[in-house]
Amino acid sequence: QVQLVESGGGLVKPGGSLRLSCAVSGFTFSDNYMSWIRQAPGKGLEWVSYISSSGSTIYYADSVKGRFTISRDNAKNSLYLQMNSLRGEDTAVYYCARSPPGYRSVFDIWGQGTMVTVSS
Amino acid sequence: QSVLTQPPSVSAAPGQKVTISCSGSSSNIGNNYVSWYQHLPGTAPKLLIYDNNKRPSGIPDRFSGSKSGTSATLGITGLQTGDEADYYCGTWDSSLSAVVFGGGTKLTVL
Repeated sequence: QVQLVESGGGLVKPGGSLRLSCAVSGFTFSDNYMSWIRQAPGKGLEWVSYISSSGSTIYYADSVKGRFTISRDNAKNSLYLQMNSLRGEDTAVYYCARSPPGYRSVFDIWGQGTMVTVSS
Repeated sequence: QSVLTQPPSVSAAPGQKVTISCSGSSSNIGNNYVSWYQHLPGTAPKLLIYDNNKRPSGIPDRFSGSKSGTSATLGITGLQTGDEADYYCGTWDSSLSAVVFGGGTKLTVL
């Protein structure tokens, strides 16, 4: 079945780095835009970044621009988020999410999320 | 402060109907399609409505969406206790070149 599984979360000190991964299965990964979306404790959903199916088009939220890098490996059916210069406000559950073919801002399949905690 | 404005909470009795509003501007809702998500704590969010009023397969017709100008509305009829969750609207913002979500609305089924 269609599945997204995030990994790579954990505890990191302010200023540190972390790389999240999202392994996908059950669909043709290269057909879909993919996004990272986060939810800080007690807060709502916040979109972080998306990458087009080929990887040629990328957008970031202003809150992470210049610090986070999204990438994908279609041969490995995997999505990544490299997070540098982490701050306390980056503490959140990070979800990877699939957009249906032809869409970039609709998310029809979500992973279960991975927790990132930024604290000294 | 979210770009899209939702009421923090709504409530209704089982079997009743509830609506959740989502207000934006011409740069987002006014010129782009709206989607709605249901999120139960500890689970993956679920897509309920896309393109303002379309339901993915498997979503019951108790859930409906509409849009007028710079506002959108999610309607839920025949409320069930299992509908208790947080609900989010989302769309593309052409000025920000970003996906934006509402702050979320907590639905309580009394």
